[in-house]
Amino acid sequence: QLQLQESGPGLVKPSETLSLTCTVSGDSISSSTDYWGWIRQPPGKGLEWIGSISYSGSTQYTPPLKSRVTMSVETSKNQFSLRLTSVTAADTAVYYCARHHRRFFEWSLSAELVWFDPWGQGTLVTVSS
Amino acid sequence: EIVLTQSPGTLSLSPGERAILSCRASQSVSSSYLAWYQQKPGQAPRLLIYGASGRASGIPDRFSGSGSGTDFTLTINGLEPQDFAVYYCQLSGSSPAALTFGGGTKVEIK
Repeated sequence: QLQLQESGPGLVKPSETLSLTCTVSGDSISSSTDYWGWIRQPPGKGLEWIGSISYSGSTQYTPPLKSRVTMSVETSKNQFSLRLTSVTAADTAVYYCARHHRRFFEWSLSAELVWFDPWGQGTLVTVSS
Repeated sequence: EIVLTQSPGTLSLSPGERAILSCRASQSVSSSYLAWYQQKPGQAPRLLIYGASGRASGIPDRFSGSGSGTDFTLTINGLEPQDFAVYYCQLSGSSPAALTFGGGTKVEIK
């Protein structure tokens, strides 16, 4: 059974860099063409996709955060990571990692990233001095 | 950029009743890209429905999804106590800019 677990500092100072790691167990990150994604949720608010990465390091980022986000993957450790620079209080959120499924659609002759399943339990990151 | 609008914001129902949740896209989308999630307090979201109508593994058949174009629906037949939660729809597409979540519908006990 595939499981994901987020880890990293729970408190980050404004203007600094948020760094999180997701450890995957129950399957190899390299075993499929699915991607591995990060989603966040500010306290009491909705969900926001941050970006996703393949086992080979191909990335897709949401445009509003693209300039501040870097994702990386370490297949030997079955982990992938998120870095978000120049954080502000608006970046305070629960950060989730998840498997981002990829499906080939014959009508578009391309593979697209679709839904997220499963998700990690999430980790709260607070940006405060 | 496509916007997903979920309604109602809150649905107050009793156990055993039927819940009908709406997710409306600001322009026509492929149903292949539409998913629904359930989130309980303090927990991560859980995939319920993919491709607008496919039920994810382990999801009871009282959950069903339908719709096309701009209007999509999640129906929960015979609400059980564990179904009271927040539900989100999610859209993906051929570009990163297309991936978005709706604002959520809370299903609460009346």
